[in-house]
Amino acid sequence: DAMVIQNPRYQVTQFGKPVTLSCSQTLNHNVMYWYQQKSSQAPKLLFHYYDKDFNNEADTPDNFQSRRPNTSFCFLDIRSPGLGDAAMYLCATAPGRTAEQYFGPGTRLTVT
Amino acid sequence: GEDVEQSLFLSVREGDSSVINCTYTDSSSTYLYWYKQEPGAGLQLLTYIFSNMDMKQDQRLTVLLNKKDKHLSLRIADTQTGDSAIYFCAESISSASKIIFGSGTRLSIRP
Repeated sequence: DAMVIQNPRYQVTQFGKPVTLSCSQTLNHNVMYWYQQKSSQAPKLLFHYYDKDFNNEADTPDNFQSRRPNTSFCFLDIRSPGLGDAAMYLCATAPGRTAEQYFGPGTRLTVT
Repeated sequence: GEDVEQSLFLSVREGDSSVINCTYTDSSSTYLYWYKQEPGAGLQLLTYIFSNMDMKQDQRLTVLLNKKDKHLSLRIADTQTGDSAIYFCAESISSASKIIFGSGTRLSIRP
């Protein structure tokens, strides 16, 4: 089945230690998104790629970076995680920028 | 500005209908969405409605759109325990090339 896959599902990192979360898709969608979701809140958009075109949200901290080496994969790099970065990170894909988005299961990040 | 608002909680008796309401602000929205999120999981797209439609029905789900009042609702008929989740309303923002989520409504089912 076509889907959005996130690895790992759970990630523990130490304060200040760089961490990379990954997302892959078999839907062949042009757009890939990264969201941060804290407990019982709405997902907060960090950035998105339309093909190779990177779009950063104005309030996304510089600590967060992303790479999209090809259509199928997208990575979220957190350069120096702080305790406040502990959250669920959701990847989503869409066939267009305002089209319906399909979410992966998320990666829950814990910072110790 | 862009804003999507929902009530935070809804409790219904098993077998009754649930109605989750949402208001949005961007009159240029092309699509409006309902997502379901179960504990520890990602968001599952339940249904969506194009902005020139008033109603969409899909099995137990009915979406009603009042574009004049910028009001969207999701009705779940014959609510079951498996419907317990957080439901997010979202609108597409053409000018910003993204969708905006509401804060989510936590639906709980009582026996």
